Formats: sequence, structure tokens, C-alpha cells
Amino acid sequence: GENVEQHPSTLSVQEGDSAVIKCTYSDSASNYFPWYKQELGKGPQLIIDIRSNVGEKKDQRIAVTLNKTAKHFSLHITETQPEDSAVYFCAASISDQAGTALIFGKGTTLSVSS
Amino acid sequence: DAGVTQSPTHLIKTRGQQVTLRCSPISGHKSVSWYQQVLGQGPQFIFQYYEKEERGRGNFPDRFSARQFPNYSSELNVNALLLGDSALYLCASGPGVGSYEQYFGPGTRLTVT
Repeated sequence: GENVEQHPSTLSVQEGDSAVIKCTYSDSASNYFPWYKQELGKGPQLIIDIRSNVGEKKDQRIAVTLNKTAKHFSLHITETQPEDSAVYFCAASISDQAGTALIFGKGTTLSVSS
Repeated sequence: DAGVTQSPTHLIKTRGQQVTLRCSPISGHKSVSWYQQVLGQGPQFIFQYYEKEERGRGNFPDRFSARQFPNYSSELNVNALLLGDSALYLCASGPGVGSYEQYFGPGTRLTVT
């Protein structure tokens, strides 16, 4: 079945450093790749997404890159701040669903120390 | 504008019981999806509904069912609860089928004892 693998599972950085989280997906028909940030006790928050016809997308300090040939995509956070500390999930659309179901990675716990 | 709302926030049930969880989507959104998030894992897709019809189903047993109402709100029902059903149940709303964005609510924490 479809699968999304996410690495690393934990990531610790100093404030101001960059953080990179990588994901690979198995279904070559997936065409939508969102990233979510989940803080303790809250639901996942959509922070950025990318579609298969785009290679890179930026929004202030965050950016996402997509390599469809290699079936992997990455989240880049620059100038990290303590409030960036959270669990980050990547996801990919499931192609065999009539709707817009997503399959998620297992998450990366990002800790930013000041 | 209000985001996705879910009720109740927390719930404790006994094995074998039945539970109903409720979700109201973002105003203007017509699609509602349900996900199960076990501690330490990513959300797992259960159902998607659009215009009151089921548009997708994940790999969950028939004990799980859902429905969507004319106002686009939704309920998730789980029968014959098992200890393994303990999880955070998330509702996500989106503009509709074909539009991929999904916005999650805060979830309902279900504990089965």
C-alpha cells in the first residue's frame, strides 16, 4: 500500500540555525504534498503545501522542495525560533481515493533551544 | 472566522460501548474528513464525506461509520469499542473534492478502559 517515510524522527537545533525534514512517498500518482505543525494538545496546522507541478515553494522562513522523479520532498525552516518547536508531519495525497485523503509520515519532533 | 470545531474535547468509554463524535467544518467548506491519531504516530485516514456522500474510506473495520448532514457538519460513530480505539480523533474540513487543502480541528481525545 501507499507509504510515507519521514526523517529524522527527532531534530534539535540552536535558535537561528536551519532545520531540514525529509520525506519519501511510494505512490507515483500522489500530486499534493502538505506539511503540518502540531503543538501539544492541538490539532495539526497546515503550514505550507506543494503540488506536483511545482518544484519549490517559499513562505517567509519556510520552504518546501519536491523531487517527483525521486519521490521525495523536504521542509526547510530557516532562522529557527523557540516557537518553531513542535511535531511536524509531511503528507501525500492518496491517488486511489475519490476524495482528497492524505497519508501521513510518522512525524519529526523539532526542538529549538535558545 | 471560526475554525473547525469538534465535540466533545475528551471522552472516556468502556470496552464494548459505542461513541459518537461531532465536527463542524469551516464556514463555506463542504468536505469533512476523519482521521485517527494514535500517540506518537501521524494521523490515519478513516473517512471523507462531501455533499453528504462518502467519497473515501480508509482501512478501518465496519465498527467505524460516519455521516454528513445538510449543514455539512459530520458525526463519527464507533461501535463495540476496543482498547486499541483509544486515540485522538481529528476532523478536517476542506473546500471540496478536487481541492486538496484540509484544515484540522483540535480533536477529540477518546480513552477506552
